Amino acid sequence: ETGVTQSPTHLIKTRGQQVTLRCSSQSGHNTVSWYQQALGQGPQFIFQYYREEENGRGNFPPRFSGLQFPNYSSELNVNALELDDSALYLCASSPRQGIGEKLFFGSGTQLSVL
Amino acid sequence: DQQVKQNSPSLSVQEGRISILNCDYTNSMFDYFLWYKKYPAEGPTFLISISSIKDKNEDGRFTVFLNKSAKHLSLHIVPSQPGDSAVYFCAASQGGISSGSARQLTFGSGTQLTVLP
Repeated sequence: ETGVTQSPTHLIKTRGQQVTLRCSSQSGHNTVSWYQQALGQGPQFIFQYYREEENGRGNFPPRFSGLQFPNYSSELNVNALELDDSALYLCASSPRQGIGEKLFFGSGTQLSVL
Repeated sequence: DQQVKQNSPSLSVQEGRISILNCDYTNSMFDYFLWYKKYPAEGPTFLISISSIKDKNEDGRFTVFLNKSAKHLSLHIVPSQPGDSAVYFCAASQGGISSGSARQLTFGSGTQLTVLP
């Protein structure tokens, strides 16, 4: 069984640029969530996708957007990068909506904005 | 406003002894709690969870206790092993399957556990 995979593992961008991060969810999982983990902090919920639609969003501005594809893989797009966007971005999949289900996380993409 | 707090950034324990990691929350709407473990260069991995209708859940060496009146939960690891050395995150969520709400986890800032041989 293939786990959650994310690409790339590391990325360096400059302020104002745009970035796309990719995630392949675990086989059989139809819900994907994205989290941002800044240095020394816990992961913060960005948004969740279920059946290709955004289904829940945390306290992040609209320049953070996403997509989910029919095969349940997902992208996170960030426009107009700011220095504070430097963080580890984690993708997590789960088998269905609702609470009480553990999330399966990928290893993350480390984004550095210079 | 931190809704989930882990006030100890680090904890060192001797191998074979008990490790106790603590977590406090402020949102009384949280009704499901989880612990995740994270090794460097890896994503968090699920460890154990507890519903708010329970006050204890065990899985092998790991036990989670929930004190709803104090809005406090703790993770006990007995006996601690060097392989347990990792960052431990407490997380909480609210909402039910019937509500259709998204599964959003609110994480604490983590506790670095070091188990000394």
